Amino acid sequence: EVQLVESGGGLVKPGGSLRLSCEASGFTFNSYTMNWVRQAPGKGLEWVSSISSSGDYIYYADSVKGRFTISRDNAHNSLFLQLNGLRADDSAVYYCARDAYGSYSFDSWGQGTLVTVSS
Amino acid sequence: QSALTQPASVSGSPGQSITISCTGTSSDVGGYNSVSWYQHRPGKVPKLMIYDVSGRPSGVSNRFSGSKSGNTASLTISGLQAEDEATYYCSSYTSSSTRVFGGGTELTVL
Repeated sequence: EVQLVESGGGLVKPGGSLRLSCEASGFTFNSYTMNWVRQAPGKGLEWVSSISSSGDYIYYADSVKGRFTISRDNAHNSLFLQLNGLRADDSAVYYCARDAYGSYSFDSWGQGTLVTVSS
Repeated sequence: QSALTQPASVSGSPGQSITISCTGTSSDVGGYNSVSWYQHRPGKVPKLMIYDVSGRPSGVSNRFSGSKSGNTASLTISGLQAEDEATYYCSSYTSSSTRVFGGGTELTVL
């Protein structure tokens, strides 16, 4: 069974930093592109970033480019998102999501971790 | 990276069919057969319902179908059931190798 478990969320002040983690199990992690998707309170889903299976190809939404960094550790089946320069509008539930093999669709999702940016 | 355009809400009675549209541009929806649809119920994790415009993952009811014409993709739910009540999101791959979601459509089963 595919499992994605996020951690690392919490309350942080504007301008602060957090590092989110996503631990994967139940599939061959190093064969899949992985993503971060977020949902702000009362808002819709927003794609944040993706990283290819090898880590060679990385993409970001304009809203986070230059502030967030995605990475992965295939040896430890883990995905990360470093959040710097946090703003109030970054407050959201952050989901780790797997690309379906050979498709640009998100076929497995974690339960999410809540990030709250507030003074 | 403008969000894809979806109607804010749709409704239907049990047994009826409804269609949710998702409009983008030639740089996303119209340019690739990479549109997917997600069902999101409150307190739950988003669930993939349709991939690659019209593909249906194993375990998803055949009452759900997808299509695309030009820059607009559509999700149709036939034989509407109370359990279908949720918010539905479309998503597309883009020419910048990024992804974009629609704003979401809240489905109410009357």
